[in-house]
Amino acid sequence: KAGVTQTPRYLIKTRGQQVTLSCSPISGHRSVSWYQQTPGQGLQFLFEYFSETQRNKGNFPGRFSGRQFSNSRSEMNVSTLELGDSALYLCASSPWPGNTGELFFGEGSRLTVL
Amino acid sequence: AQKVTQAQTEISVVEKEDVTLDCVYETRDTTYYLFWYKQPPSGELVFLIRRNSFDEQNEISGRYSWNFQKSTSSFNFTITASQVVDSAVYFCALSEYEETGGGNKLTFGTGTQLKVEL
Repeated sequence: KAGVTQTPRYLIKTRGQQVTLSCSPISGHRSVSWYQQTPGQGLQFLFEYFSETQRNKGNFPGRFSGRQFSNSRSEMNVSTLELGDSALYLCASSPWPGNTGELFFGEGSRLTVL
Repeated sequence: AQKVTQAQTEISVVEKEDVTLDCVYETRDTTYYLFWYKQPPSGELVFLIRRNSFDEQNEISGRYSWNFQKSTSSFNFTITASQVVDSAVYFCALSEYEETGGGNKLTFGTGTQLKVEL
């Protein structure tokens, strides 16, 4: 069974640009969550999607957005990039939302903003 | 607001030593869930365990064991006879009950880097 796939794995952008990251969950999983990991702030919840609807959102500015498609694949977008957006962005999937407990994480997309 | 504290930033042990990773949490909810995840150098977080707030039984899985004490708001993780392959960053996390908006929204601690040397 294939795991969670995130693309691209690495990318470099400059301030002011925008970026789109993609996440393909494990087959059959319908819930996708996104987390940002930085040395300073650690792991922080961005948002969660289920059945193409955002169920939960973390404390991030509106520049951070996401969506989920009917096949459960998800994308997140960051507009007007800032230096502080440099981070590892992790996607996690689970069969459904709620406290299933076990989240399956991808290896992340490492974004560097210059 | 929820908070998870992992006071140990980095621990170094020699292989075969036992090691305990500490986790202290804060929440006003009476129903919540606690987790431990492992992050190897490859980056993906690997689920190790989940406990709900009503289940204070300790758990053992092979060389891993977990001690959950509500009285001290702690959920500590012990690795017995550590091995080099245990080297990773370990995260403790907390989530609220689904009906109050928790679900898969986890609050993570800052992690403990465990280095196991030969």
